[in-house]
Amino acid sequence: DAGVIQSPRHEVTEMGQEVTLRCKPISGHNSLFWYRQTMMRGLELLIYFNNNVPIDDSGMPEDRFSAKMPNASFSTLKIQPSEPRDSAVYFCASSKPGRPYSNQPQHFGDGTRLSIL
Amino acid sequence: KNEVEQSPQNLTAQEGEFITINCSYSVGISALHWLQQHPGGGIVSLFMLSSGKKKHGRLIATINIQEKHSSLHITASHPRDSAVYICAVGSNYQLIWGAGTKLIIKP
Repeated sequence: DAGVIQSPRHEVTEMGQEVTLRCKPISGHNSLFWYRQTMMRGLELLIYFNNNVPIDDSGMPEDRFSAKMPNASFSTLKIQPSEPRDSAVYFCASSKPGRPYSNQPQHFGDGTRLSIL
Repeated sequence: KNEVEQSPQNLTAQEGEFITINCSYSVGISALHWLQQHPGGGIVSLFMLSSGKKKHGRLIATINIQEKHSSLHITASHPRDSAVYICAVGSNYQLIWGAGTKLIIKP
């Protein structure tokens, strides 16, 4: 079975550029999560979608960050304009229908390692 | 005080040793998750439990709801178990993460 697929695996770009991270959840999973991991702050939830609808975006750092889920099999996380402090590993995870965080485990993608110079 | 505390932060052991990683939490939870993050960065969900004990191969996870405490045990540890082990609790429609325990198993 294909797991959660993220692309690109690595991205290096200059500050001010637009960055787009992509995620394909596991088929049949209706919850999708974007996380950011840094040494200083660990894993942080950025946004959570349920049935393609954003439910909790309280973790999105600021207006430079936006996320969309146009259909059940694809989501994007955009940063525009990017800044060096956005450098981190960004993970996408998905889970089956059910009460999120409570009775369904999350399946993680391999992450996108983002470096903003 | 963090809502989810893991101990120890770092643990180095010899191959074959029995490993215990602890997780204490201060909030009401609906489930507790143990995850593993390998040096390459990938995150794998190991267990999700809300009571009792679960076992998968050499890994055992227990939870005591009254004491708000969970443990992850590894029997007959192996260098390939070297990873960061993360405890996270589901509470009020959010997932609260521990800081992780970095485990190194030496051959």
